[in-house]
Amino acid sequence: DIQMTQSPSSLSASVGDRVTINCRASQSIAVYVNWYQLKPGKAPRLLIFASSRLQRGVPSRFSGDGSVTDFTLTISSLQPEDFAFYYCQQSYNTPFTFGPGTKLDIK
Amino acid sequence: QVQLQESGPGLVKPSQTLSLMCTVSVDSMTSGDFNWNWIRHHPGKGLEWIGYISNSGSTFYNPSLKSRATISVDMSKKNFSLRMDSLTAADTAIYFCAREPFGVVKGLRYFDFWGRGTLVTVSS
Repeated sequence: DIQMTQSPSSLSASVGDRVTINCRASQSIAVYVNWYQLKPGKAPRLLIFASSRLQRGVPSRFSGDGSVTDFTLTISSLQPEDFAFYYCQQSYNTPFTFGPGTKLDIK
Repeated sequence: QVQLQESGPGLVKPSQTLSLMCTVSVDSMTSGDFNWNWIRHHPGKGLEWIGYISNSGSTFYNPSLKSRATISVDMSKKNFSLRMDSLTAADTAIYFCAREPFGVVKGLRYFDFWGRGTLVTVSS
């Protein structure tokens, strides 16, 4: 199975900050990484697919980049509703696997 | 708007079988080619993909579940289900259902709509 790691595991930031979350795959996965936002009690939300493609309806302050094994999710200017958990996921091979998550909270 | 909603028992005894259902909003199941997935989130741990069923009924499962999972679909009733046998405490998790648009490009796959999840606790 392809292993996914994320860093940092938690991050404290303020409204208006720019933050970047990193994701690394254990082998080459081309551009096949997706990013999700999870909040307790709510349906998870797809933010980015195929490394850099913004899902319809997701604000443009979210962006993704990377290829091969290293990927990033960047939020350009944090809004109050962005404080949540973020997970990367590889779709290159089954079984699909997820990173361990990054908790983004308010400083 | 596509909506999915999980339902099922919140508490299951060890060694028993779990049955969950995901109800999909009207017309969503037949509006295109999709795979219908189950994913779980272990408390304090990461997300684990369980498997999927396609609109045509083809299934694919995570080998880590050692054939304990079975996914079925009822297109006429607009739902799909997960059955998992021989439960242990390690199966305690929030279970999500999610839609995956079927794609012809290998690797270009993602879960675009999810349910809110249902907590399943395995305990005697």
